[in-house]
Amino acid sequence: EAGVVQSPRYKIIEKKQPVAFWCNPISGHNTLYWYLQNLGQGPELLIRYENEEAVDDSQLPKDRFSAERLKGVDSTLKIQPAELGDSAVYLCASSLATAGGPDTQYFGPGTRLTVL
Amino acid sequence: QKEVEQNSGPLSVPEGAIASLNCTYSDRGSQSFFWYRQYSGKSPELIMSIYSNGDKEDGRFTAQLNKASQYVSLLIRDSQPSDSATYLCAVNPNQAGTALIFGKGTTLSVSS
Repeated sequence: EAGVVQSPRYKIIEKKQPVAFWCNPISGHNTLYWYLQNLGQGPELLIRYENEEAVDDSQLPKDRFSAERLKGVDSTLKIQPAELGDSAVYLCASSLATAGGPDTQYFGPGTRLTVL
Repeated sequence: QKEVEQNSGPLSVPEGAIASLNCTYSDRGSQSFFWYRQYSGKSPELIMSIYSNGDKEDGRFTAQLNKASQYVSLLIRDSQPSDSATYLCAVNPNQAGTALIFGKGTTLSVSS
């Protein structure tokens, strides 16, 4: 079974430029997460989707960040314009969440963003 | 604010020893608990999950959960240099499909 796929793996941009990250979750997983991981820190949630609906975007900086999950499968996270402080690893995870059942999240390889 | 606390380390153990990693969490209603291993420059990889009080063993790994004390631990027996990594404790605060709350991770170094 293929894991979570993310692209690109690395991205270097200048500040104020736009950038987009793509994620393809594990087949059949209904829940998709975007996490941000700074150096020396654990991942922190940016946005969570159940199918195509964003059910938790409270930590997403909406002035510059946007995300979509069309058709409830692939997802794209965008930053426009990027700032120096956005340099981090952007992780996508997916899970098959069922009511009352265990929920295991699997992570993709991440996109390492460097903003110059 | 829901928090997960870990000692950042580094925790250094000799090859063959037992490594003990600890984690405490603030939300008493938390239901599920996970340990992820993260090698430098890589993404988190799930190694253990635990949902009930007590011990859960998987090969050289044992997860221990004490909900009354809000404490989770991971024991690694017969530690190998390949176990050298950062170990992230993650807590699901309430139900399936909820985002995990992660600790900052404990760096383990196993010397040969």
